[in-house]
Amino acid sequence: SQKIEQNSEALNIQEGKTATLTCNYTNYSPAYLQWYRQDPGRGPVFLLLIRENEKEKRKERLKVTFDTTLKQSLFHITASQPADSATYLCALGLSGYSTLTFGKGTMLLVSP
Amino acid sequence: DVKVTQSSRYLVKRTGEKVFLECVQDMDHENMFWYRQDPGLGLRLIYFSYDVKMKEKGDIPEGYSVSREKKERFSLILESASTNQTSMYLCASSSGADSSGNTIYFGEGSWLTVV
Repeated sequence: SQKIEQNSEALNIQEGKTATLTCNYTNYSPAYLQWYRQDPGRGPVFLLLIRENEKEKRKERLKVTFDTTLKQSLFHITASQPADSATYLCALGLSGYSTLTFGKGTMLLVSP
Repeated sequence: DVKVTQSSRYLVKRTGEKVFLECVQDMDHENMFWYRQDPGLGLRLIYFSYDVKMKEKGDIPEGYSVSREKKERFSLILESASTNQTSMYLCASSSGADSSGNTIYFGEGSWLTVV
């Protein structure tokens, strides 16, 4: 069956460092992969989309990579700030399908 | 900016009550979704709709129904609420255009407690 894995343990890093979150998947050939941010008690907010034919995408301090051979995406936040503390979800989608499959998310804690 | 508005932020209902959760989106999106989110279980899709009066079951439709009479509005109905339906419910919408990668826009969530 299809499976998406994100590290269930919280990632603790210090302000200014680069945070790297991992999303692995199995039994899946996604057309695209998305990353969302979710703050406590709020709905997820879309951050970045990367397609299967793209290796890397950047947006300000965010960078996403997508390796379809390893079946893995890495999400990087450079020069992290305490305001980046949140849960980050990855989601996979198939071309022509309306629904996404979400991972359970990884909590990031950035300490000053 | 896309806005998905859920009518109730917090609700407390009694076991056996009929519960309506309302959701409205303002971007003329084709698709609308209802998810529930529980600790350790992540986001789980209950139902989605790709057009007015159309609906598709998601991963956990049991105990729920939906209604989409107008394009902008998608309602989740709990016919007879039970304590195991205590959860945060998230409504969402997307344009359905593959060019957008089916980016999903979420509402703020409705916290339902069934006692």
